[in-house]
Amino acid sequence: EPEVTQTPSHQVTQMGQEVILRCVPISNHLYFYWYRQILGQKVEFLVSFYNNEISEKSEIFDDQFSVERPDGSNFTLKIRSTKLEDSAMYFCASSTNYEQYFGPGTRLTVT
Amino acid sequence: AQSVSQHNHHVILSEAASLELGCNYSYGGTVNLFWYVQYPGQHLQLLLKYFSGDPLVKGIKGFEAEFIKSKFSFNLRKPSVQWSDTAEYFCAVNLPDSNYQLIWGAGTKLIIKP
Repeated sequence: EPEVTQTPSHQVTQMGQEVILRCVPISNHLYFYWYRQILGQKVEFLVSFYNNEISEKSEIFDDQFSVERPDGSNFTLKIRSTKLEDSAMYFCASSTNYEQYFGPGTRLTVT
Repeated sequence: AQSVSQHNHHVILSEAASLELGCNYSYGGTVNLFWYVQYPGQHLQLLLKYFSGDPLVKGIKGFEAEFIKSKFSFNLRKPSVQWSDTAEYFCAVNLPDSNYQLIWGAGTKLIIKP
């Protein structure tokens, strides 16, 4: 069964550094998403992406965040200058419609 | 703002007990409703979903949920739980006019004692 994959599984970075989290969505899916979950808190929507552009983003998704689909398969989330409060589990998801399929997540730790 | 509430953060049950996890949402219009499960060390997986039609929906692994529009609720049930149901359960909603973003409840950690 096709699945969403994410790399790396765990990323440790220093405050102020840039990180790129990578996702490979399911191949025939059209919608792509990033969510995050800070430890002990709810899963929060960051951004959705369709037809090579952002379709919706939350208040969390400020100028330090960006997304890209650099080729036909990858979907990346870049955080330009990480802050301590960016430490969280980041989930990628993809869908053809309402049903979203999730990757295993990348645990980002900012020190 | 739209929100999703899950009433219990932690539930501990013995095997064969019946399960009901509460979920309420705050939105007056049409919604799509989901329950996701995350087993220890695994992905978020879809348990079941409701878009329209019969308000009692059946999902995988013997789970079901009932949509009660008047109560803005979508409670998850299982008549007899197993040790393997130990996981975290998330209720989520998306709004038809929101490009499918999911709004999540806080999750319920379910522990089944063998």
